[in-house]
Amino acid sequence: DAGVTQSPTHLIKTRGQQVTLRCSPISGHKSVSWYQQVLGQGPQFIFQYYEKEERGRGNFPDRFSARQFPNYSSELNVNALLLGDSALYLCASSFIKQGSGTGELFFGEGSRLTVL
Amino acid sequence: AQTVTQSQPEMSVQEAETVTLSCTYDTSENNYYLFWYKQPPSRQMILVIRQEAYKQQNATENRFSVNFQKAAKSFSLKISDSQLGDTAMYFCAFWPTSGSRLTFGEGTQLTVNP
Repeated sequence: DAGVTQSPTHLIKTRGQQVTLRCSPISGHKSVSWYQQVLGQGPQFIFQYYEKEERGRGNFPDRFSARQFPNYSSELNVNALLLGDSALYLCASSFIKQGSGTGELFFGEGSRLTVL
Repeated sequence: AQTVTQSQPEMSVQEAETVTLSCTYDTSENNYYLFWYKQPPSRQMILVIRQEAYKQQNATENRFSVNFQKAAKSFSLKISDSQLGDTAMYFCAFWPTSGSRLTFGEGTQLTVNP
């Protein structure tokens, strides 16, 4: 079975531009989460979506947005890019029941964003 | 809010030896899970081991085992018979059963030397 797939794997943008990152969860997984991992640090939670609804949001500005589609794939959008947005963006999926999740996430290989 | 602390930014071990990675956490939650994830240079985060807070017995997975001390809020990872393929960044992570997010520590870079 295919794991979590993310695209693109690498991309370079300039300050002020907008970027869209894509994620396809493992088949059967209904939850998708996004994490930002700045070089040398642990991942930071951005969003969780379950059944196409936002279930959690981390401490990120409104420039960050996301959505989940009927096939459970997801997009992360970042507007007005700043140099500090340069990071590895990880997508993770899980088969999770509301309020009783085990927290076990399956991660993709990430999208490496460089903002110049 | 939860916090996870890994106080060892880097560690090294000789092949076939044993190494222990430390992790402490702070939470007011009663029900939660703790995890160790491994991130090799390929970048993909891989689950190593999971511990459920309500279980007193420490989790084990082949060469990997944990020492879970709930009262002390400590969760260390022991790797036995270290292999070159164990070289990676290791992250301790916390998930409250009432929540929707993993909280990660800063990571420990483990290098296994031949």
